[in-house]
Formats: sequence, structure tokens, C-alpha cells
Amino acid sequence: GIQVEQSPPDLILQEGANSTLRCNFSDSVNNLQWFHQNPWGQLINLFYIPSGTKQNGRLSATTVATERYSLLYISSSQTTDSGVYFCAVGTSGSRLTFGEGTQLTVNP
Amino acid sequence: ETGVTQSPTHLIKTRGQQVTLRCSSQSGHNTVSWYQQALGQGPQFIFQYYREEENGRGNFPPRFSGLQFPNYSSELNVNALELDDSALYLCASSPISQETQYFGPGTRLLVL
Repeated sequence: GIQVEQSPPDLILQEGANSTLRCNFSDSVNNLQWFHQNPWGQLINLFYIPSGTKQNGRLSATTVATERYSLLYISSSQTTDSGVYFCAVGTSGSRLTFGEGTQLTVNP
Repeated sequence: ETGVTQSPTHLIKTRGQQVTLRCSSQSGHNTVSWYQQALGQGPQFIFQYYREEENGRGNFPPRFSGLQFPNYSSELNVNALELDDSALYLCASSPISQETQYFGPGTRLLVL
């Protein structure tokens, strides 16, 4: 099956810093989503981005499908950005394969 | 708010018991998927239902089974519980003609 690798596994930032999270995948995909999992376990949709670039406030994402990677940018980080960020990809239907996540800690 | 709800929020069972978890998605979401997330890992796909039929299954044994009902609700049943079944169980639904999946808050299952 498809493999999904996320890096870095852990990231510690000071409030106000910028960061880039990376997701590499091993095969062509027709679905790629970024999620933020809060401390209570809720997966919050950030982007549906199988290709191209999207922005939503301080967050933006870029997927280069031909090179099989996606990047999530967080600018001017806030303590509320802390949590685990997951990249998930799909090759058929809406079944998703998740990476292991990036644990982000933003300190005040 | 995704509009996807799950019950119960927490559950404690003992080995060998059976459990039923429930999920309710929004009207118009005709696909529901279930995932298992062990501590410190990413969610793993269990199976998916489309129009009340199983439509894909991950690497989980037959004691994991499911149902989808006409009112868009769904159940995950696990028989003969094992200690390793302790996890967060997530339900996700997709609107008609869209790929984006929306997740519920999950059910935390502890098997003792």
C-alpha cells in the first residue's frame, strides 16, 4: 500500500515563529488532506489539497503531486496551534492513509 | 463543528466482551469510514460503507464489523475484545460527490 512520511516528528517553537511541515507519499494520489488533532482527539480539517496551493489565514499548503510531497506552512504561530498535524492521502474513493504526524508545541 | 457525532465518548470493557460504537453523520453524507488510532500513532483505516454496503476494508480481522443505516448513522462492532483494541475510534463521513472527509470527536475505548 501507499506509504506516507511526515517530518519533522516533533517541532518546538516560540510564539510568533514560522514553520514548515512536510509530507512525502509513495504513489500518485487523488486525495490529500491536512488535519490538526487537538488534545481531545478531534481531527480538524485544515486543507483538502491533492494539488496546488491554498491559504487560510495564517496557514497555507502546497502539494506538488508530480513530486509526491505536500507542505503545510504555519506563520506567526500561536499557542493554540499546538497539537499533532497529520497528512492523509487517498488513492481511490475516500479511504485515507495517514502519516505518523508532527507533534507541534508552541511556547509562549 | 463537522456535524459528525459519535457515542459514547468513553468506554471501558474487559477482554472477551463485545462493544458497539455509534456514529451519526450529516444528511447528504453517503459515505462513512471508521478508523482506529492507537496512542502515539496515526489513524488506521478499518472499513468504509457506501449506501449501506461495505466498500473497502483495511487490515483488520473479521471480528471488526459494521453497519450503515438509511438515516446516515453507522455502527462499528468489535467482538472478542483484546487488550490491543484499546484505542481512539474515529468515524468520518464524506458529502455526496466530494472526497473531503469530516471526522467526529471519537470514542476512547479501554480494554482491561
